[in-house]
Formats: sequence, structure tokens, C-alpha cells
Amino acid sequence: GAVVSQHPSWVICKSGTSVKIECRSLDFQATTMFWYRQFPKQSLMLMATSNEGSKATYEQGVEKDKFLINHASLTLSTLTVTSAHPEDSSFYICSARRTSGFLRAETQYFGPGTRLLVL
Amino acid sequence: EDQVTQSPEALRLQEGESSSLNCSYTVSGLRGLFWYRQDPGKGPEFLFTLYSAGEEKEKERLKATLTKKESFLHITAPKPEDSATYLCAVAGAGGTSYGKLTFGQGTILTVHP
Repeated sequence: GAVVSQHPSWVICKSGTSVKIECRSLDFQATTMFWYRQFPKQSLMLMATSNEGSKATYEQGVEKDKFLINHASLTLSTLTVTSAHPEDSSFYICSARRTSGFLRAETQYFGPGTRLLVL
Repeated sequence: EDQVTQSPEALRLQEGESSSLNCSYTVSGLRGLFWYRQDPGKGPEFLFTLYSAGEEKEKERLKATLTKKESFLHITAPKPEDSATYLCAVAGAGGTSYGKLTFGQGTILTVHP
């Protein structure tokens, strides 16, 4: 199988603090990881694409200075929510892409998610 | 722009009552269509990848099929533990969408014993 972990699973913080979320691919190497945000009863919204050894690519409307992404190795990407505010409270999910062939789309395997609550 | 529409939004079934979920899509150069299952408070769990029209894949009580415009997820004799949100996503080849997944809104399946 392809296992992706996230840590922490739950985090509560005060407004103005920064929070770091880790995403690890446990049994495969992932040159590309993705970060999503999901609001209650809604589908996943892609925030950014994280490439190992290079800068992340952010989706339109996502503040790159607020959501810092680092992909330092082939198995680890981190998302740091800087100066968090209550409106940043959400369910954050990462995925890691596993190569399945040259012309075919690679399957993304998702982590269990991190629920962030900013007070 | 790639688009995915899933129907119905919610589906209630009795245990053993077979049915199908629909995923209609428009995409610039389909590179793959994906089905995921998501339980409340958890990340999506991978089910199937389909690459070309006519392809079918099965896993236990689930069977996914693909045409040029839509995909179906057939559930045969469902059990209460099949209750979840089922998400469909496509990966296209066009421009800025390359490599990214576009998700549908999901179908919430509830199976009553």
C-alpha cells in the first residue's frame, strides 16, 4: 500500500501564533505533494503544490506568505500557517503523488488530515 | 477549465439494495479519473484509478466504470460500513491543471441495516 501520515491530527492555538503541520509518505518517495483545505460539508480545495527541492506553487487566492510550504525531502512536506487567525480554522489534508507511468496520471494518496482550531 | 459533477448529492439505501453513483466530467485531455472514499473527519481513501473509456475495476462490493463523459461507481449489496462520502476526481493534461486533481462535490452514501 501507499501510506501518508500527518502530524498533528488536532491542533488548537491562539490567534497570532504559527502552526506547523507535517506530511510524510511512509513507504514511497514523493517528488510532489499537495496541500488541500476542506470546509464542513464541502469538497477538497487545492491550496498549493509542493515540489521537492523547489518553491511551492500556490493556487489563485492563497496567500503564500501566510501558508508557508517546505518540501525538504522526498518523504516530507510541511505547511506552516503563520500568524493564524480564527478564519484559518479548517481541516487541512495533504497528499503525496506516486508515479504510475510516464503518460498516465499519478495516483495521489491522502493523509488523515489535521484539524486546526484558532481561538 | 476541468469540471466534475457528481450525482446524487446524497443517497440512502437499505442494506443489500444495489445502486450506482454518477460522476460526469469535462476535461482537457483525461490523464486519469479517480474514486476516493472519505469518512467523517478523515482524509480520502483511494479506491480506483481509471485511465481510458471502457475500463472497469472492481474491489469487493464496488465496481468503477468509465466512458468518455462519465464514470459510475456501482455498489452491489451494500453494507452499513459502506456508508461514507464518495469523491470523484479527474487529472487533466491541459495547461495549468497538469498534474492536479479536480474534485466533484461528492455523494454522501448512507446504508441502513
